[in-house]
Amino acid sequence: EDQVTQSPEALRLQEGESSSLNCSYTVSGLRGLFWYRQDPGKGPEFLFTLYSAGEEKEKERLKATLTKKESFLHITAPKPEDSATYLCAVQGVVVDSNSGYALNFGKGTSLLVTP
Amino acid sequence: ETGVTQTPRHLVMGMTNKKSLKCEQHLGHNAMYWYKQSAKKPLELMFVYSLEERVENNSVPSRFSPECPNSSHLFLHLHTLQPEDSALYLCASSVGSYNSPLHFGNGTRLTVT
Repeated sequence: EDQVTQSPEALRLQEGESSSLNCSYTVSGLRGLFWYRQDPGKGPEFLFTLYSAGEEKEKERLKATLTKKESFLHITAPKPEDSATYLCAVQGVVVDSNSGYALNFGKGTSLLVTP
Repeated sequence: ETGVTQTPRHLVMGMTNKKSLKCEQHLGHNAMYWYKQSAKKPLELMFVYSLEERVENNSVPSRFSPECPNSSHLFLHLHTLQPEDSALYLCASSVGSYNSPLHFGNGTRLTVT
C-alpha cells in the first residue's frame, strides 16, 4: 500500500531563514509526486509535479527535488506570505481497477514565517 | 469565471436532513473527484468520475451519493449523516487521470449536528 510521510508536522521560521520540508514515500512504481500549498479556509493549490529521481523544479522561492525514496521542498529566504500548509501526494502505478486514480496524500507540514 | 467552484461554502445539517454539495469546473477537464479533509488526517479520496462515468468508489458509506450529470458538474448528495462526517469536502478536477495534477475548489465546510 502506498504511504506518504511528511516531516516536520509544523515549522516556524524567521523571515529570510531558509529550510526544507521532507516527504518520504513508499509506492509500487511512482507515476508522479505532487506538491500543493493550502491556505486556511481554501483548497490545495498545485505547485509542482515530479516524475523521476533527480528531477528538480523551481517557482519563486520554492524548489522541489526528488529521489527514489523522498522529496524535499526547499524554501529559500521565506517571506510571511509563504506561511501555509504544504501537502505532498504520490500516484503509483495501477494495481487494480480501483487504484489507478488515487493520489495518496501526506498529513502536511504547517509552515509559519514570522517577520 | 475560472477554476473550480464549490457551493455552499458552509453547511450545517441535522442527522436526518438531506442536502447536496455542488461543484462546477470551468477548466475543460474530463475527470472530477470528491475528497474529504478532516483535521490531523490526510486527504481521503471518496469518488472519481472520468468522462462522466464513476470509475472509483473508495469504500464510502452509502449515505454519500455522488452524481455527475456532465463533465463540468459534480454533486454529492448527503442523507442521514453522522457527526463524524463533519469535515471539509473538496472537489477537484484534472485533465485525464494519470500523472495529471488536481485542481481543487475551496471546499464546503460541513457540520453535522
